[in-house]
Amino acid sequence: ELKVEQNPLFLSMQEGKNYTIYCNYSTTSDRLYWYRQDPGKSLESLFVLLSNGAVKQEGRLMASLDTKARLSTLHITAAVHDLSATYFCAVDIRDDKIIFGKGTRLHILP
Amino acid sequence: EAQVTQNPRYLITVTGKKLTVTCSQNMNHEYMSWYRQDPGLGLRQIYYSMNVEVTDKGDVPEGYKVSRKEKRNFPLILESPSPNQTSLYFCASKPGLAGPSYEQYFGPGTRLTVT
Repeated sequence: ELKVEQNPLFLSMQEGKNYTIYCNYSTTSDRLYWYRQDPGKSLESLFVLLSNGAVKQEGRLMASLDTKARLSTLHITAAVHDLSATYFCAVDIRDDKIIFGKGTRLHILP
Repeated sequence: EAQVTQNPRYLITVTGKKLTVTCSQNMNHEYMSWYRQDPGLGLRQIYYSMNVEVTDKGDVPEGYKVSRKEKRNFPLILESPSPNQTSLYFCASKPGLAGPSYEQYFGPGTRLTVT
């Protein structure tokens, strides 16, 4: 069965701290995506990771991909309240079928 | 402005009454897709289309139909809606396999309630 598993599903953290969200997937993939969703809003694309070892950074967020381990991470550095949101990873498998993880709800406390 | 639009944004209907949710993109993207979002389940792909007249089933296609007669439009059809199709629906588009970018753009969402 094709699975994309994110953990943790809920995360409450203090401003200024670092943390990592993990995304494991169960099949070979060509592309991995990270999205952000604010309450009541649509999804916003954060990163597209295309190859093994790919690393992308935007502000306090950094995403990486290890295709051999079938693992992607989203690292948050020195968290700020504005980063509170739900984060989804999604895996693009054969023929462009896309499987999403269940999402990580991140709450950053001031 | 590059965007994906969906209509309607909110819809309350009754069981069995056929409905269509429209989706349109102005970015000349080859790929379009429909997802439903339910609490605790994340997003699940319903159908996707890699080009005009090419559609494929996602993970949860039962009870839905789609068509892709034009590149810019990808309507979602519920022939006989049931309460378990109450959900938040998103349409999305992205360039095809040739790139240059694989970034997927999402519409604003359609909140459907079936009573």
